[in-house]
Amino acid sequence: SQKIEQNSEALNIQEGKTATLTCNYTNYSPAYLQWYRQDPGRGPVFLLLIRENEKEKRKERLKVTFDTTLKQSLFHITASQPADSATYLCALDKSWGKLQFGAGTQVVVTP
Amino acid sequence: GAVVSQHPSRVICKSGTSVKIECRSLDFQATTMFWYRQFPKQSLMLMATSNEGSKATYEQGVEKDKFLINHASLTLSTLTVTSAHPEDSSFYICSARDSQRGNEQFFGPGTRLTVL
Repeated sequence: SQKIEQNSEALNIQEGKTATLTCNYTNYSPAYLQWYRQDPGRGPVFLLLIRENEKEKRKERLKVTFDTTLKQSLFHITASQPADSATYLCALDKSWGKLQFGAGTQVVVTP
Repeated sequence: GAVVSQHPSRVICKSGTSVKIECRSLDFQATTMFWYRQFPKQSLMLMATSNEGSKATYEQGVEKDKFLINHASLTLSTLTVTSAHPEDSSFYICSARDSQRGNEQFFGPGTRLTVL
């Protein structure tokens, strides 16, 4: 079965710096991979989707890369702000929209 | 656009009672909705896939008789936790897929269930 690994330790970062999060998976490469943001006590919010034939995707201050050889996706938040503090989840589509999520990495941006 | 709501946001019930959670897509039609469960400090775990007009499909290890799912319309799916026990206490989250927007899923705000 597929395993998804994200750093369990919180990432503490100073405002203005770039936060880089890692998502590794173990088995088959999915057709696409998604990143979500989750705030405490709330449902996930979709951020970015990257397809297997895309190396990089950007949306405002966010950047995602997808390396099917390494079975890894990197998620970058550039010029981080305290409002970026949240837990970030990566998710793979098992089939037909059934998502398998990683445990998430908490990001804490301090002023 | 693409808003999903859940009701209630929080519910506390006694052991042995049943609890119904509603998931609504407010501004789009969702032929497919998904139900997830999240325990503290853990990832979201898919419980079942809810298809409008047909029976739900459950993930391995999820009891279909305990977690009843009904998807009676294109904008509403309900999850009923029957004979709830303390171990069912969790954060239940639904999501809906708008077929016109491709593979993007929109999640509800979640329902915190506490079974005493």
